[in-house]
This record gives sequence, structure tokens and C-alpha cells, in this order.
Amino acid sequence: KNQVEQSPQSLIILEGKNCTLQCNYTVSPFSNLRWYKQDTGRGPVSLTIMTFSENTKSNGRYTATLDADTKQSSLHITASQLSDSASYICVVTGGGNKLTFGTGTQLKVEL
Amino acid sequence: SAVISQKPSRDICQRGTSLTIQCQVDSQVTMMFWYRQQPGQSLTLIATANQGSEATYESGFVIDKFPISRPNLTFSTLTVSNMSPEDSSIYLCSVGSGQGAQTQYFGPGTRLLVL
Repeated sequence: KNQVEQSPQSLIILEGKNCTLQCNYTVSPFSNLRWYKQDTGRGPVSLTIMTFSENTKSNGRYTATLDADTKQSSLHITASQLSDSASYICVVTGGGNKLTFGTGTQLKVEL
Repeated sequence: SAVISQKPSRDICQRGTSLTIQCQVDSQVTMMFWYRQQPGQSLTLIATANQGSEATYESGFVIDKFPISRPNLTFSTLTVSNMSPEDSSIYLCSVGSGQGAQTQYFGPGTRLLVL
């Protein structure tokens, strides 16, 4: 069964600190992996997308990594800001372009 | 990128009633999708809205409960019929050249509470 598991479930950090979110997946075959940011009351917004051959992708202060061999991905946020408070969702595209969504990591950045 | 709007943004409904959610895109798109996001859970695909033909439903979702219309390439509606409290959820419209395609965008969602 295709699954995407994210950890931690929730995280609280101080403004300015860095953090790393994890995503493990069992989706096969694999097409691509995306990280989305979902603010409360809003739809998900794509941060990065990586295919099998890519092992890192950056978007400003967000850097995603992908290890297709171990089926793991991480999202690193540097110099966090209050506006980074959101849910971060890992999404894997598999066979037939079918998406499998993780349940997300709820990040809260505090002063 | 596509700009997607949904109406209503939120609603509180009584059980047994129906609610129609509208999704409008600022450009013509090949494919439109409807998702449900229940509290604390990941997004689940309800159906693919096909222009000019019946929607394609995922396992566990049926047309009688979630009728969908797509009269043109920029607009779709999802109706949640005969609602129960278990239908309380966020309903999201999504567009793209294909599910899982390089470009897939989500609307802001409709937050539904059924009493």
C-alpha cells in the first residue's frame, strides 16, 4: 500500500532558528515528490518538486532533499520567520500520476 | 500559475441539507480535481471533474453523494448531498495539466461544518 509518513507531527521553534521536517514514503513506482505549505484556512502552495534524479532543490529559505534509494525526503527551513507557521505536507506522485499525501507537520514559530 | 477561487469560503449547515461549492479558475485548464481534507488528516481525492462528461470518482466516493459539474474549462461545482456531521471537512478544488503533473495548484478551500 502506498503511504507517506511525516515526522514530527508538530514542532515549535523560536524565530530565527532552523528546523528539518522528515518524510518517508513507500510509493512505487515513483514519479516525483513535492513539499507544500498550507497556511491555516488556505489551500496548499507548492514549495519544491523533485524527480527521481534530483537530490536537492531550494526555494529561498526552504531546501528539500531526496534520497530515492532509502525513500526519504527532508525539508530544511533556515532562519525561520513567524510567517513560516503552517502545515507542511509531503506529497508523492506514483504510478498513473496518483498522488499520495502525508498528514503534514504542523510548525509553529514563536518569538 | 493559475488563480483559483472557491465559494463559499466557509459554511455551517444542518444535517440532511445539501451544499454546492463553486470553483473558478482564471484560465482554461485541462483537469480539475476535488479533494477533501478531514480534521487532522491528509488530503483525499474525491473525483476528477471532466469537461463535457461525467466525473471520475475515487473508491469510496459516489456520484449520488458528491455530484460534480464541469460545464467549461474554467469552472466546476461540487455538491455535498444529504449532509451529516461526518461530512464536516475542508473541500479543495485543484487544477493542473494532470494529477501529479509538474504544475498542480490548489484553491483556498471551503470549510464546511455540519451540525
